[in-house]
Amino acid sequence: NAGVMQNPRHLVRRRGQEARLRCSPMKGHSHVYWYRQLPEEGLKFMVYLQKENIIDESGMPKERFSAEFPKEGPSILRIQQVVRGDSAAYFCASSEGTSGYNEQFFGPGTRLTVL
Amino acid sequence: DAKTTQPNSMESNEEEPVHLPCNHSTISGTDYIHWYRQLPSQGPEYVIHGLTSNVNNRMASLAIAEDRKSSTLILHRATLRDAAVYYCILRDALGGSNYKLTFGKGTLLTVNP
Repeated sequence: NAGVMQNPRHLVRRRGQEARLRCSPMKGHSHVYWYRQLPEEGLKFMVYLQKENIIDESGMPKERFSAEFPKEGPSILRIQQVVRGDSAAYFCASSEGTSGYNEQFFGPGTRLTVL
Repeated sequence: DAKTTQPNSMESNEEEPVHLPCNHSTISGTDYIHWYRQLPSQGPEYVIHGLTSNVNNRMASLAIAEDRKSSTLILHRATLRDAAVYYCILRDALGGSNYKLTFGKGTLLTVNP
């Protein structure tokens, strides 16, 4: 059973460009989460999605950031008009359920560098 | 959310046991205690979780104090591959927004050869 896959692993963008980060959850997992890790900081929750639905986007910046998890295909985290402060590692996780005992399985992350 | 307190860093020697402590004095009766770790340049990795009783799996053991206000992650024989940041996280079994993992600063474990 393949783990959570993310691509690209490294992404370089110039200020003002768009960044698209993709995440394929583990097989059978319908719950997807995105976390961000800024340099020298801890991981912060951004958004929680189920198929075709955003359940909680309370951790996502209000502007320029959006996420989707379509019926078919991977989850996408989209950052429009990137700025230097968006440079970070973005991790996707998936789980089978959301109860307090369900572990989340993380992908290897996408490291975004904004020039 | 109930908070956890961990030492910033710990050091161990290879092949020796490591005890990583976590204080969670405001834990509620329905909070699970989870441990994750993050190896350098990788995503977090689930290690173990427990509610009241001590737990063992192939990676580690989790010892939970009788009053549940603290717990200890035990690596029985540290290897160089265990060098990572270890996070102790509480998750409420009763729902709400318990799907959000709240990562603190964790404990940076250094393993000496």
